[in-house]
Amino acid sequence: AIQMTQSPSSLSASVGDRVSITCRASQDIRNDLGWYQQKPGKAPKLLIYAASSLQTGVPSRFSGSGSGTEFTLTISSLQPEDFATYYCLQDYNYPRTFGQGTKVEIK
Amino acid sequence: EVQLVESGGGLVQPGGSLRLSCAASGFTFSRYWMSWVRQAPGKGLEWVANIKPDGSQIHCVDSVKGRFTISRDNAKNSLYLQMDSLRDEDTAVFYCARDNWAGDSLYFDPWGQGTLVTVSS
Repeated sequence: AIQMTQSPSSLSASVGDRVSITCRASQDIRNDLGWYQQKPGKAPKLLIYAASSLQTGVPSRFSGSGSGTEFTLTISSLQPEDFATYYCLQDYNYPRTFGQGTKVEIK
Repeated sequence: EVQLVESGGGLVQPGGSLRLSCAASGFTFSRYWMSWVRQAPGKGLEWVANIKPDGSQIHCVDSVKGRFTISRDNAKNSLYLQMDSLRDEDTAVFYCARDNWAGDSLYFDPWGQGTLVTVSS
């Protein structure tokens, strides 16, 4: 199975900060990667698919980049509602595998 | 409104069985692949299985092979997960999600609210 490694595992940031989260795949997955946001007690929510396509309704401060084995989720200006855990997911092959998650906390 | 609602979770003893259901509404269920994803308490997300629109193809993670069976009833707009030989480590919130394809790219949207399965004696 393809291993997805996110870094950092957690980070503390302030409102207005620019935040980046990295996801590395154990093999080339082209651009077959999505990003999900999860708040406590809630289901995950899709943010980005195909590495860089913004899901309809998601604020433009979220962006995704990368291809091959290294991918980045960037939040250009962190808002109070963005404090959550973020997961990457590869859909290159089976089994689909998620990164371990990155918790974004308030500084 | 596109909606997925899971049910069937609960407390079960190790070695026992449970059947989860996911009721779909607001879209043509029979046209979509569907998935189950689980999350152990305080842990990350794990994709469990998915099923083709007509039920003719199934994929699942190795840890549940031979124990979990995904199925669907398109006439009832429903997805199922039959879980047998349950283990302590299967304790998790189980989500159903719709598979969407954009070209070669897959994404899960929407997700249900989740149903908690607790395996304990």
